[in-house]
Amino acid sequence: EVQLLESGGRLVQPGGSLRLSCAASGFTFSTYHMAWVRQAPGKGPEWVATINSGGGGIYYADSVQGRFTISRDNSKNTLYLQMDSLSAEDTALYYCTRSYGSGSKPGYWGQGTLVTVSS
Amino acid sequence: DIVMTQSPLSLSVTPGQPASISCKSSQSLLYSDGKTYLFWYLQKPGQSPQLLIYEASSRFSGVPDRFSGSGSGTDFTLKISRVEAEDVGVYYCMQGIELPLTFGGGTKVEIK
Repeated sequence: EVQLLESGGRLVQPGGSLRLSCAASGFTFSTYHMAWVRQAPGKGPEWVATINSGGGGIYYADSVQGRFTISRDNSKNTLYLQMDSLSAEDTALYYCTRSYGSGSKPGYWGQGTLVTVSS
Repeated sequence: DIVMTQSPLSLSVTPGQPASISCKSSQSLLYSDGKTYLFWYLQKPGQSPQLLIYEASSRFSGVPDRFSGSGSGTDFTLKISRVEAEDVGVYYCMQGIELPLTFGGGTKVEIK
């Protein structure tokens, strides 16, 4: 069974930093694209970043480019999201996702970790 | 960015009756590999989104066959043949032909 367990979300002040982690199990982590998708309170999902299976292909939404860094450690079956220069607009539930089948788009979603940016 | 537009915003359905949700994209989702990169997700109350349909018409693993996706180019439809109580939630379409991935505004389905 595919399991994605996010952690690291908490209350942080504007301008602060945070590192989210996603522990994956139940599948061969190193063979799948992974992504972070966030959902602000009462809003729809918003794609944040994608990393390919080997970590060499990385893509970001314009809203986080230059502030967020997605990475993965295939030896630890873990996905990361380093978030810097946080603002109130980054407040959201952050989901770790795994690609579906042979494709690269979100198929499986974790339960999410809540990031709140507020003073 | 590709804009995804869903209708209706909400739907109230009697159990056992069919339901249909429309999704339109601002540009074609047909890729050069012949696949159409349109996805449907359901977010049940208090849960994370779950994939229902990928590549416009393929049901994801474990999805009941009462759910079906159709359409091509820029116009797509998700149909539920007989709505059940467990189908309540918000349905989102998403395009995956180019980055950034973009989602529709959602359609809330409730039971009468």
